Amino acid sequence: GNSVTQMEGPVTLSEEAFLTINCTYTATGYPSLFWYVQYPGEGLQLLLKATKADDKGSNKGFEATYRKETTSFHLEKGSVQVSDSAVYFCALSDRVQGAQKLVFGQGTRLTINP
Amino acid sequence: DGGITQSPKYLFRKEGQNVTLSCEQNLNHDAMYWYRQDPGQGLRLIYYSQIVNDFQKGDIAEGYSVSREKKESFPLTVTSAQKNPTAFYLCASSMSPLMETQYFGPGTRLLVL
Repeated sequence: GNSVTQMEGPVTLSEEAFLTINCTYTATGYPSLFWYVQYPGEGLQLLLKATKADDKGSNKGFEATYRKETTSFHLEKGSVQVSDSAVYFCALSDRVQGAQKLVFGQGTRLTINP
Repeated sequence: DGGITQSPKYLFRKEGQNVTLSCEQNLNHDAMYWYRQDPGQGLRLIYYSQIVNDFQKGDIAEGYSVSREKKESFPLTVTSAQKNPTAFYLCASSMSPLMETQYFGPGTRLLVL
């Protein structure tokens, strides 16, 4: 079945460092791809998405490009802030019984030190 | 403000007890979902509903039940048959079953006494 694999965490960086969180997927067809962010004790918030190959999703300085040839959707940010500390989830859409279901990676915990 | 509310924020269950988690949305979304999150793991789908009075099992439905009597509400009951209920439970909704973007509530943490 369809699946998502994220880089192992936790990831710890200093403020203003460059961030990459790797995400690869296995899927039949061409699913949409998502990054969600979860701040401590809260639900998930949609960070960005891409719906087809070579699309770039972006939001709040974060970017990710849908790479069909490498089945990847890596999350990047040029200069992280302490407020970016959170758990990041990569996900893909999977159509099941006429409905869209999200398949999530295991999440990557990011800590930014001042 | 439009959004998804979940209550309570924390819930304690005694052995052998059924408990019900509330999920309400005022986004006029047709589809609603329940996920379970365990520490260090991604989210796993418990149940989903595409429309009022209809719902389907997700990947880990055993020990759970749901109802969808109103468009706005999708309560989840954790039954005594669920032997390991301690987790963070997240409710989500999407505009329609075919819309891929889901919006999440703040979650309910269930603990067993």
